[in-house]
Amino acid sequence: GESVGLHLPTLSVQEGDNSIINCAYSNSASDYFIWYKQESGKGPQFIIDIRSNMDKRQGQRVTVLLNKTVKHLSLQIAATQPGDSAVYFCAEKDQGGKLIFGQGTELSVKP
Amino acid sequence: DVKVTQSSRYLVKRTGEKVFLECVQDMDHENMFWYRQDPGLGLRLIYFSYDVKMKEKGDIPEGYSVSREKKERFSLILESASTNQTSMYLCASSPDRDTEAFFGQGTRLTVV
Repeated sequence: GESVGLHLPTLSVQEGDNSIINCAYSNSASDYFIWYKQESGKGPQFIIDIRSNMDKRQGQRVTVLLNKTVKHLSLQIAATQPGDSAVYFCAEKDQGGKLIFGQGTELSVKP
Repeated sequence: DVKVTQSSRYLVKRTGEKVFLECVQDMDHENMFWYRQDPGLGLRLIYFSYDVKMKEKGDIPEGYSVSREKKERFSLILESASTNQTSMYLCASSPDRDTEAFFGQGTRLTVV
């Protein structure tokens, strides 16, 4: 399943499928990007980050891709599990350290 | 583990009251942030502090002020609370400009 960032805030996928969550960032001067996961009633939690001198970074079951040309960021979750159900936010940091968030995408995993 | 603590989980205040939301971090972080989170609007930055007594306005500073007298504490002040300030408020801290921010659990403020 795939989302289209700010204009499609909900993504529903089958358990075991891969998920792709997209994000368009606004500031071409931003040089550090983070994906956060927020579960109901909790503050956002760090998932993975990437710096502007990279275009791909992998973690455990997650991959972040950065396309600076079109100011686009994506989060790929492999073998999505029910515990992955949450709202996912991308965030960008500018050179002054200010952290700005995207709107978020709600991921729902069907068993 | 980094700990960012917000003083209250739930708060109910009356219109016109002066409200203080407190946030404390225990990891000597340079940067601290205050956001509000509303359904469909995501997290919007209210204020950002990059050092003691230093602050910078975020995207929606109107109706709010902040105080950072000590490195570990960042306070958000609603000078005269209004019903449109009913929201979830989230505090975060970050060691420096090149690392992720760590969040508190949030304060759900209701202004009646």
